[in-house]
Amino acid sequence: DQQVKQNSPSLSVQEGRISILNCDYTNSMFDYFLWYKKYPAEGPTFLISISSIKDKNEDGRFTVFLNKSAKHLSLHIVPSQPGDSAVYFCAAPVLAGGTSYGKLTFGQGTILTVHP
Amino acid sequence: EPEVTQTPSHQVTQMGQEVILRCVPISNHLYFYWYRQILGQKVEFLVSFYNNEISEKSEIFDDQFSVERPDGSNFTLKIRSTKLEDSAMYFCASSLPGAWPLREQYFGPGTRLTVT
Repeated sequence: DQQVKQNSPSLSVQEGRISILNCDYTNSMFDYFLWYKKYPAEGPTFLISISSIKDKNEDGRFTVFLNKSAKHLSLHIVPSQPGDSAVYFCAAPVLAGGTSYGKLTFGQGTILTVHP
Repeated sequence: EPEVTQTPSHQVTQMGQEVILRCVPISNHLYFYWYRQILGQKVEFLVSFYNNEISEKSEIFDDQFSVERPDGSNFTLKIRSTKLEDSAMYFCASSLPGAWPLREQYFGPGTRLTVT
């Protein structure tokens, strides 16, 4: 079973506050994770990624945390801005024979709304 | 910044008709992908293409689907006889070869296919 799950369909935060988007996965062999952002009428845009050998990766206002024992990752956006309002997907490359290839499996997405 | 482009942005077709969705991947990328997202559902992998052949396909990608790279720049998805359930957003993506993070995929804006 190689699933990625986002259990929160939506999140609403105030501008300037922290946004925390969560993602759980089922296969402990996943070795890479990605976050994509999607605006309406656009394709997913790569945001940030993390390898399973790390527990944190930071890029400006965006930080991804990986908790392998809990099979959980989270995306933190600090400070949140109205332009961050979008759908956020976590994704992982599907494994075949212990190797991850290009095929991505996506979570259901979380709609983030940042209020001014 | 290089980007993946897709045409048309919206295609309406009648059930049973053939459609061809077109994509121009990023020029130095060698892996090409098609994904789709049915309204309200996850983004789903359809097929990956490398070195002029399919490298992987999902169970969705049956005999009604085909992909082609007819020249050095275009990548197409053909649906031979469309069904109502083919209505979805279709995303093209491309990536470099190699291990992650080189394999990070860049998505086009999508083609909305409506089958009536």
